[in-house]
Formats: sequence, structure tokens, C-alpha cells
Amino acid sequence: EVQLLESGGGLVQPGGSLRLSCAASGFTFSSYAMSWVRQAPGKGLEWVSAISGSGGSTYYADSVKGRFTISRDNSKNTLYLQMNSLRAEDTAVYYCAKWDITTSGDAFDIWGQGTMVTVSS
Amino acid sequence: SSELTQDPAVSVALGQTVRITCQGDSLRSYYASWYQQKPGQAPVLVIYGKNNRPSGIPDRFSGSSSGNTASLTITGAQAEDEADYYCNSRDSSGNHLNVVFGGGTKLTVL
Repeated sequence: EVQLLESGGGLVQPGGSLRLSCAASGFTFSSYAMSWVRQAPGKGLEWVSAISGSGGSTYYADSVKGRFTISRDNSKNTLYLQMNSLRAEDTAVYYCAKWDITTSGDAFDIWGQGTMVTVSS
Repeated sequence: SSELTQDPAVSVALGQTVRITCQGDSLRSYYASWYQQKPGQAPVLVIYGKNNRPSGIPDRFSGSSSGNTASLTITGAQAEDEADYYCNSRDSSGNHLNVVFGGGTKLTVL
């Protein structure tokens, strides 16, 4: 069964740091780009970051550039998101998603259940 | 950066057909994908590419595109289709990769 399982969320003070993890199973992890997407309470989906299958290319939304770092360990089938200098507006459920990029179109075809990050003093 | 615009809310009578639209400049260059999200659950991909459905998605869901507008059509809406629907595409502005989501459409099945 193809599965993504996020962990690492929690309550952190403004200016603090947190590292999210996403454990993948059921597919050849290193063959696929991966992404983080977040959803603030009661709001819509917001793309945060993406990384190529090899890890050699990374991409960020302007809202997190310079503060968040995406990485992956293909030997452990795990995706990470290091979040520094956290702000109240980073409060959201963070989803990891498998990004299937094909000539037929690309899409986030598998999603984890999400992990909640709350930034508050 | 580019944006994708969706109507905030749409309603449909049970068994009728509904179209949910998504507008944005990036759609002139890239296909949209569509996601269904029910309360408290993760999004689920329902349509991607020109008009492709992942395994397990009912064939009452279909997609189309024209110019800067992509559409998700549900033919014969069911009660279980009541959910939020989001469109998504790459962002064609600038020379770096970006990904955008629409603001979402809340579908009510009457």
C-alpha cells in the first residue's frame, strides 16, 4: 500500500524551529519528486516547497524562502522540512505529497494525513 | 506570481450536473489538477492532465480546459461529493518553479 506518514508537528514559539518528517512506503521513493503543502485553519491549500527525486533540486514558495529547507534521505525513504524563524502565519496542517510529474500532466497523487504546526507564545 | 481563481461556493441538486471552474494565466501553459477535500481529511486527487482519473475515482468526475480556464464537471452529483474542491497547476510566471492552488470551491449537494 502506498502511504505517507508525517510527524514532528507541535507547538512552538515565534522565532523557533521545528523539523517535520514524512515516511514513505509502497513506492520507489527516489524516483519521485516530493512536496510539502500546508493549510491554515479554515483556509485553503498553499504549496510550500518541493524537491526532485535525487534531492538535487529544491523549490520554495516566496512566503517561506530563506526560512524553510526541504531535504530527503532516499536510503530511509523519508522527506524532511526544516522550519526556522517560525511566525504565527506559519500555523497550519502540513501535508507531504508525492508529486507525479508526467507528460500527461503533473499532480500530487498521494497525500499524508498531515501534521499540525502551531506557532504561538 | 500567478494565481488561480475559483468561485467560493457552488451548489447542485442531487443527481444533477455541476461544473466547477478555475481561472489563471498558468493554465494557458499547464494542465490543472483537481483535489477533493472533505472535513478533517487530507485532499484526494480526482482529475489530472487533460482528463485523467486516478484509480478508484468514479467516472462521473471529468475535466476539461480552454484558454485560461480549467473545469471540473461532476455528472450526476451524489451526496458523498459534497466537499471542498481545489485546482492546482504549476506557475508559468518567472523563470523559477512555483506551484499554485486555487482558493477552493465549497460544493453543496442539495
